[in-house]
Amino acid sequence: GEDVEQSLFLSVREGDSSVINCTYTDSSSTYLYWYKQEPGAGLQLLTYIFSNMDMKQDQRLTVLLNKKDKHLSLRIADTQTGDSAIYFCAVPSNTGKLIFGQGTTLQVKP
Amino acid sequence: NAGVMQNPRHLVRRRGQEARLRCSPMKGHSHVYWYRQLPEEGLKFMVYLQKENIIDESGMPKERFSAEFPKEGPSILRIQQVVRGDSAAYFCASSQGTGGTYNEQFFGPGTRLTVL
Repeated sequence: GEDVEQSLFLSVREGDSSVINCTYTDSSSTYLYWYKQEPGAGLQLLTYIFSNMDMKQDQRLTVLLNKKDKHLSLRIADTQTGDSAIYFCAVPSNTGKLIFGQGTTLQVKP
Repeated sequence: NAGVMQNPRHLVRRRGQEARLRCSPMKGHSHVYWYRQLPEEGLKFMVYLQKENIIDESGMPKERFSAEFPKEGPSILRIQQVVRGDSAAYFCASSQGTGGTYNEQFFGPGTRLTVL
């Protein structure tokens, strides 16, 4: 079945760039998503990328997609303490359900 | 336009009791998904419903769990005879449809179930 893998933890200093990586197995997805979860809260859709794109930039966020290697990354420029959260990569299956990675906890040190 | 609503936000049950979790999708959305997040884990798909139909229940435990999305009213996730292992956050998401951006799923705040 589909599988999505992420590293579990990333620590950066305020002002640095953060890069969160994700690999997946199912290549039929049209869109791939990044969600953010703050402590005790639900999931907020951060951004998404269409599968025929290599890169998408949205203010401080850059998403890179390497379809050949089935690798997705999220770069956050000028990381702030408010960016501290868990970030989930999500890939839709052909039935519509989302397959999530385990989540990457981003810790931003002042 | 209100987002996805879930209630209750927190639910405490004793072992053996029933838990009912409710989800009202966003206005105009007819597709509902339920996901479970166990402590320190990612979200796992449970069930996908459209009005009055279960489309995909491949993630639902075989016993004690059921879901419905009636013609009128919210979607309900029902857990009978709860056990401690059912303690988790249960998230509901809704979308307009499937395919392309219509599959974009908007999440509710979740119901945190604690089984004593």
